[in-house]
Amino acid sequence: DGGITQSPKYLFRKEGQNVTLSCEQNLNHDAMYWYRQDPGQGLRLIYYSQIVNDFQKGDIAEGYSVSREKKESFPLTVTSAQKNPTAFYLCASAIAGRSDEQYFGPGTRLTVT
Amino acid sequence: AQKITQTQPGMFVQEKEAVTLDCTYDTSDQSYGLFWYKQPSSGEMIFLIYQGSYDEQNATEGRYSLNFQKARKSANLVISASQLGDSAMYFCAIPTGNQFYFGTGTSLTVIP
Repeated sequence: DGGITQSPKYLFRKEGQNVTLSCEQNLNHDAMYWYRQDPGQGLRLIYYSQIVNDFQKGDIAEGYSVSREKKESFPLTVTSAQKNPTAFYLCASAIAGRSDEQYFGPGTRLTVT
Repeated sequence: AQKITQTQPGMFVQEKEAVTLDCTYDTSDQSYGLFWYKQPSSGEMIFLIYQGSYDEQNATEGRYSLNFQKARKSANLVISASQLGDSAMYFCAIPTGNQFYFGTGTSLTVIP
């Protein structure tokens, strides 16, 4: 089945550690996105990538880093510089030029204590 | 940037009744699309319905319909014949450029 996978569903880390969230898609989509969602809030864009080896900052990129070495993979690293890393993280993908038709993964809930 | 406002943080509806979830937006784009997503407690975002700014007819998709009032920049979601499985967060969103802008969401609870 085609789709987007994010693993794990729940992730727990100690403060001060970097952690990498996985996002894989087999939809052959060129564009991929990372969003952060806080309780009672909508989604905010962290980073997006339109093509392999290229990515752009979204509205809240500080404290995060990404890579796009393969078309199907767009991992997000939450660094120790991110002040409030505990959140729900959603990955999405889309056909090039169709950011209005994004397919979302199931999300990863990260808890940092 | 777009500004999306959902003024109802929480709503309750009796099962089988209809409910309207409000969404207003502010955009300088002449041509745009308005999306509604459902997010159940499991977390995934489920696309519900789309309205293009130049569509003359209000969009409908099964039990979902949009009450689109372009002059008022309003695109309310109407859910008819509510079901228990409709209990979820609902988000209004507008894409612009390479970004999707989301409202803060409305939590809908369907009461049996």
